Amino acid sequence: EVQLVESGGGLVKPGGSLRLSCAASGFTFSSAWMSWVRQAPGRGLEWVGRIKTKTDGGTTDYAAPVKGRFTISRDDSKNTLYLQMNSLKTEDTAVYYCTTKIVYWGQGTLVTVSS
Amino acid sequence: DVVMTQSPLSLPVTLGQPASISCRSSQGLVYSDGNTYLNWFQQRPGQSPRRLIYKVSNRESGVPDRFSGSGSGTDFTLKISRVEAEDVGIYYCMQGTHWPFTFGPGTKVDIK
Repeated sequence: EVQLVESGGGLVKPGGSLRLSCAASGFTFSSAWMSWVRQAPGRGLEWVGRIKTKTDGGTTDYAAPVKGRFTISRDDSKNTLYLQMNSLKTEDTAVYYCTTKIVYWGQGTLVTVSS
Repeated sequence: DVVMTQSPLSLPVTLGQPASISCRSSQGLVYSDGNTYLNWFQQRPGQSPRRLIYKVSNRESGVPDRFSGSGSGTDFTLKISRVEAEDVGIYYCMQGTHWPFTFGPGTKVDIK
């Protein structure tokens, strides 16, 4: 059974940093493109970014609102996806989901950016 | 970025009656491989999104056949043939053709 479990969310001040993790199991993680999608409270879904497999170059793509501030990485030896978030803004407050193939989703982790 | 619009944004429905949600993209969604990467998601209250339909009209495994997708070019539709209580939630269309992938604003389906 495919499982994605996000962690690392919490309360952080504007300008601060946070690193989210997504632990994957039940599939061959190293062969999977992985993505982060977020959802602000009471709002719709927004793509954050994605990372390809090392075989496909391991490159990353980001949505404009987070480009230059967020970094997606992966550790295939640990079956774990990461989202490093720097220079956080209040508008980054959201539940952050990891997903693969946009079929399998984690339960999400809440990030609150507030002073 | 490709802008996805949906209508209506709110859809009160009677149990057992049909429902239809429209989705329109600001650009065509045919990818270079010939496929159209238009997806439909359901998000029940307090849950993660669940993909119902991929490539316009293909149902995910386990999705009831009362859900169907259709469309081409820039206009797409999700239909529920007979709404059941468990269908309450927000429905999103999403294009996976042009990066960044983008979602529609969502259509809230509830029971009259």
